[in-house]
Amino acid sequence: DVKVTQSSRYLVKRTGEKVFLECVQDMDHENMFWYRQDPGLGLRLIYFSYDVKMKEKGDIPEGYSVSREKKERFSLILESASTNQTSMYLCASRTTSGGLQETQYFGPGTRLLVL
Amino acid sequence: RKEVEQDPGPFNVPEGATVAFNCTYSNSASQSFFWYRQDCRKEPKLLMSVYSSGNEDGRFTAQLNRASQYISLLIRDSKLSDSATYLCVVSPYSSASKIIFGSGTRLSIRP
Repeated sequence: DVKVTQSSRYLVKRTGEKVFLECVQDMDHENMFWYRQDPGLGLRLIYFSYDVKMKEKGDIPEGYSVSREKKERFSLILESASTNQTSMYLCASRTTSGGLQETQYFGPGTRLLVL
Repeated sequence: RKEVEQDPGPFNVPEGATVAFNCTYSNSASQSFFWYRQDCRKEPKLLMSVYSSGNEDGRFTAQLNRASQYISLLIRDSKLSDSATYLCVVSPYSSASKIIFGSGTRLSIRP
């Protein structure tokens, strides 16, 4: 079974703090994703990475950056946390070897509260 | 217009009932379709892929209507454990990495 883990389930930070969210997958997947999920807005893609050191902006990259130094690890960084970044953050991974029918596997999510 | 639209619900139905909901998508070039299930405060998990010919998995049936650009999910003999949010997911052919999630339909099964 694919396993995607996230460094924290719950996180409380103060406005202006730098926040690191880490995601690790154990299935050698090429693609990794960071989403945020908010009530009524669904899942919105922040960034994704299709290879080590490669990244592409998603739909809402402002205020975020990412790092993929190793294939299994994809980090989301909030340089200066703001209250509007309070959300549920979900990491996902996906292989491309099976074509478009390959599904995404999600981590358990990190609930971030910025005070 | 959203790329993937779902009725947010909630759908509140009695145990044993049959319930169906649709999801419409705007990109006619979309190639892959999925239904995910998300329990409260948990991550989304794949429920089933949706193939052109439709597919069935136990009490669950998914269908694709390309002409009208929607997919559907039918749940027969609903159980209390079916209570969850169901997310419609669409992947355009142009980008294997671009996967679009609907906002979800909330389903609540009552005893």
